[in-house]
Amino acid sequence: QKEVEQNSGPLSVPEGAIASLNCTYSDRGSQSFFWYRQYSGKSPELIMSIYSNGDKEDGRFTAQLNKASQYVSLLIRDSQPSDSATYLCALYNAGNMLTFGGGTRLMVKP
Amino acid sequence: GAGVSQTPSNKVTEKGKYVELRCDPISGHTALYWYRQSLGQGPEFLIYFQGTGAADDSGLPNDRFFAVRPEGSVSTLKIQRTERGDSAVYLCASSNRADTQYFGPGTRLTVL
Repeated sequence: QKEVEQNSGPLSVPEGAIASLNCTYSDRGSQSFFWYRQYSGKSPELIMSIYSNGDKEDGRFTAQLNKASQYVSLLIRDSQPSDSATYLCALYNAGNMLTFGGGTRLMVKP
Repeated sequence: GAGVSQTPSNKVTEKGKYVELRCDPISGHTALYWYRQSLGQGPEFLIYFQGTGAADDSGLPNDRFFAVRPEGSVSTLKIQRTERGDSAVYLCASSNRADTQYFGPGTRLTVL
C-alpha cells in the first residue's frame, strides 16, 4: 500500500461545477497536509495547507481533513478551465520530507 | 521576491556521463530539498539539507547520487555514471518552515 493514495483520474467536470479531489494516507502520525497544483510541464505550486480536522477555506478552495478516517480532500467551487491541472496531495511527518500521492488530473470543460 | 531557481532547465546526456544540477533557494531559506519526479508520478524525496549539512539523505537511490550545499545556500545534485532510468524531472524546494516547501521549475534530465 502506498503511503498516499489518489485516484489518477482524469476527473472531468463542467465549468462552474464543484470539483472534489480525494486523498487517503496510511501514516497516522502525519501532522501536516498539503495540496499542490501542477500544470503540465511545470513545477508543483502550493495552494492549500491543513493541519487540524475539519474544513479550511481559501477563496474557491476548501480543504477538508479527517484524521480518524485518514483522508484529506480538496473542493474547488465554480471550477474554471484554468483549474485544469494535476492536483497533488502531500503529507509531512517527522521524516523531514513531503510524501506525495501520484496526483489526480482534473479537466474542467467549458 | 525571487523564487527557487534551477539550472539548467533541460539536460540531455549520454549513458555513463556525469551531470550536475544546480538549485538556488529563496533567500533566507535554511532548508533545501531535492525531489525526483517521473512521468505520471508525484515527486519522490531524495535529500534534505538544513544549512550546510545533509540532514537526511535516505531518498538517494544509490551511491551514484550525491548532493552538496557548501555555503548553506546554493546546492548541487551530482549524478555519476548516469543510467537511462535516471531520466526524470529533478525538483528543488526550499523552506523557512520545514513543512511548507516552495518548488523551483525543475531540471528535466534525459539520459540517452
